Amino acid sequence: EAQVTQNPRYLITVTGKKLTVTCSQNMNHEYMSWYRQDPGLGLRQIYYSMNVEVTDKGDVPEGYKVSRKEKRNFPLILESPSPNQTSLYFCALSREPINQPQHFGDGTRLSIL
Amino acid sequence: DAKTTQPPSMDCAEGRAANLPCNHSTISGNEYVYWYRQIHSQGPQYIIHGLKNNETNEMASLIITEDRKSSTLILPHATLRDTAVYYCIVRVSTLILTGGGNKLTFGTGTQLKVEL
Repeated sequence: EAQVTQNPRYLITVTGKKLTVTCSQNMNHEYMSWYRQDPGLGLRQIYYSMNVEVTDKGDVPEGYKVSRKEKRNFPLILESPSPNQTSLYFCALSREPINQPQHFGDGTRLSIL
Repeated sequence: DAKTTQPPSMDCAEGRAANLPCNHSTISGNEYVYWYRQIHSQGPQYIIHGLKNNETNEMASLIITEDRKSSTLILPHATLRDTAVYYCIVRVSTLILTGGGNKLTFGTGTQLKVEL
C-alpha cells in the first residue's frame, strides 16, 4: 500500500518566516498534489504534479510554491507565510493522474501567528 | 465533474450494515463514482470506486443504479471505527477533460455515527 509521509505534523510559526512542509512517498507514484482543508470550505487543491519537473496550479495556489525534482518528494513551500494560510494541509498521490484512487498523508496542521 | 448530493448525517448500530446513499443525477457516461471517508482530521481514505457495475472490496460494496443517477455505499458490518465523514465524488475518466489535474472535489459528505 502507498505510504505518504508528511512533516512536520504540527507547526506554529510567525508571519513572514519561510517554511517548508515535506511530502515523500515510497511507491514511485507519478501524481502528487497538495490540498488545504478549512472549516466550511472543504478540501481545496493548491498545486499538483504529474511527474518529475511537471507541476501546475490547483484552485488556490497564491502564496505557495512547490517543486518536484525527484519522483518521491513534493515539498510545499510558504515563502512568506501569512495568518490566512493557517490550515490543515494534506499531501495526496496516485499511481497515475487519472482513474486511480488517491492516497493521502496524515496531514500537517499549520498555525501562522 | 457532476455534482453529488448526500444526506448530512446518518446513524447506524454497531454490527449492522450501514447504507450510505449518494445522488448524482447529472453524471455522464465517462464519469466514475468514488467514495472516500475522513476520520476526524485524519487524511481522507479511499474506499472504493466504480463506473457502472457493482463493486466489492475488503472494506465495502458499491451499488450503482442501472441509470447511474445514484449509488449506495454499503459497510456490511459497521464498527465504531467506521464513524467518519463519507464523501461521494464523481470524476471524469479522461485525462483531456480533467486538464491534467486529478483534483478531487469534496462536498460536505455524510457524517456516519456508529453507536453501540
